[in-house]
Amino acid sequence: NAGVTQTPKFQVLKTGQSMTLQCAQDMNHEYMSWYRQDPGMGLRLIHYSVGAGITDQGEVPNGYNVSRSTTEDFPLRLLSAAPSQTSVYFCASSYVRTGLNTEAFFGQGTRLTVV
Amino acid sequence: DAKTTQPPSMDCAEGRAANLPCNHSTISGNEYVYWYRQIHSQGPQYIIHGLKNNETNEMASLIITEDRKSSTLILPHATLRDTAVYYCIVRVGGYNQGGKLIFGQGTELSVKP
Repeated sequence: NAGVTQTPKFQVLKTGQSMTLQCAQDMNHEYMSWYRQDPGMGLRLIHYSVGAGITDQGEVPNGYNVSRSTTEDFPLRLLSAAPSQTSVYFCASSYVRTGLNTEAFFGQGTRLTVV
Repeated sequence: DAKTTQPPSMDCAEGRAANLPCNHSTISGNEYVYWYRQIHSQGPQYIIHGLKNNETNEMASLIITEDRKSSTLILPHATLRDTAVYYCIVRVGGYNQGGKLIFGQGTELSVKP
């Protein structure tokens, strides 16, 4: 049981390049989400998904795309990287059970620098 | 916007109890209070959550006021490894939102020898 796995751990991009941040979980969680964390700040929600085929925007979705074709994977795509997207990105997952609240598990983060 | 207010920083002596306050005056009746912590920019780690009753687990205790407008996280015997940023979060409800977590700025707790 690996939990939430993010790849890569570090990445440097040039402005305008595209890339995909990978996130996978092996806990059969319905809910997955992406956050970004800028220096000295809390986490901000980018996109989330409550199940395969269902995604929605969070607080800061501009410049990012997501899709959810399987329960296990929730990739985050940067179509044209900008220096403002330099940040640490965290993926999280949890169960979704009506009437219950469960803990979220976080990956260890991807540190992205756009130059 | 985050629905909680926390002090930006606190200090605590090693071995003493750390009491971290949180205000959530606009909390709805079906919203839970969650606490997470983040050590050295690692992924946040779940600590505890509650609705209206006080809760305790192996890591901490959570005290929620009767009107539910504030809460306190208690680390009973703080160690140097408890130095971290602690986030108090009111979890947004609704199945279609998956109970998403909206983080605020958190409290930076420094445990000193």
